[in-house]
Amino acid sequence: QQQVKQSPQSLIVQKGGISIINCAYENTAFDYFPWYQQFPGKGPALLIAIRPDVSEKKEGRFTISFNKSAKQFSLHIMDSQPGDSATYFCAASIRGNNRKLIWGLGTSLAVNP
Amino acid sequence: DGGITQSPKYLFRKEGQNVTLSCEQNLNHDAMYWYRQDPGQGLRLIYYSQIVNDFQKGDIAEGYSVSREKKESFPLTVTSAQKNPTAFYLCASSLQARSNQPQHFGDGTRLSIL
Repeated sequence: QQQVKQSPQSLIVQKGGISIINCAYENTAFDYFPWYQQFPGKGPALLIAIRPDVSEKKEGRFTISFNKSAKQFSLHIMDSQPGDSATYFCAASIRGNNRKLIWGLGTSLAVNP
Repeated sequence: DGGITQSPKYLFRKEGQNVTLSCEQNLNHDAMYWYRQDPGQGLRLIYYSQIVNDFQKGDIAEGYSVSREKKESFPLTVTSAQKNPTAFYLCASSLQARSNQPQHFGDGTRLSIL
């Protein structure tokens, strides 16, 4: 119940295409869903986050779609660019006093020029 | 510029040796975290601290120890009891551990066994 399942493990997209990464969870106590982007040799950086009372959030070319009934959320990268090539992690946190993040296993995205 | 500084970037450990990884932040954040990242794995929480002089075990604390004597600093010691220490170690901080504050990460320390 504590897991966040992320798919696909790797993804190859052509420049200008749409990249879609999906995550699923079981625990309905999760109430915060961030996405992080990590480049090789660097730490992850927060990309965008959503709460379950919102079905979609958009920031530039990045959009989170959230389906509360299906317990799924996804990251869409529009007009994908070679500079978007990185590993993307979804995560979730539970209401509580420590805000531990439960992480997906990551998706390695390669955008071909 | 505010941020998190991890040092060293690369570290080598001999058998039976303890090593300490440094993490310093100047973001004035209360909460700090240590994660371990292995290839193909997500981030696994080792220890976290919500406030100075307090810390809690994460999911994989065995073989590790931490201290939080100053708000800015949260060093991690990898002890000889950690039998598989080769990994990429990431330190993070957030404004508070109680709210939906984003975690800010350093650029990691890669630990290898000689």
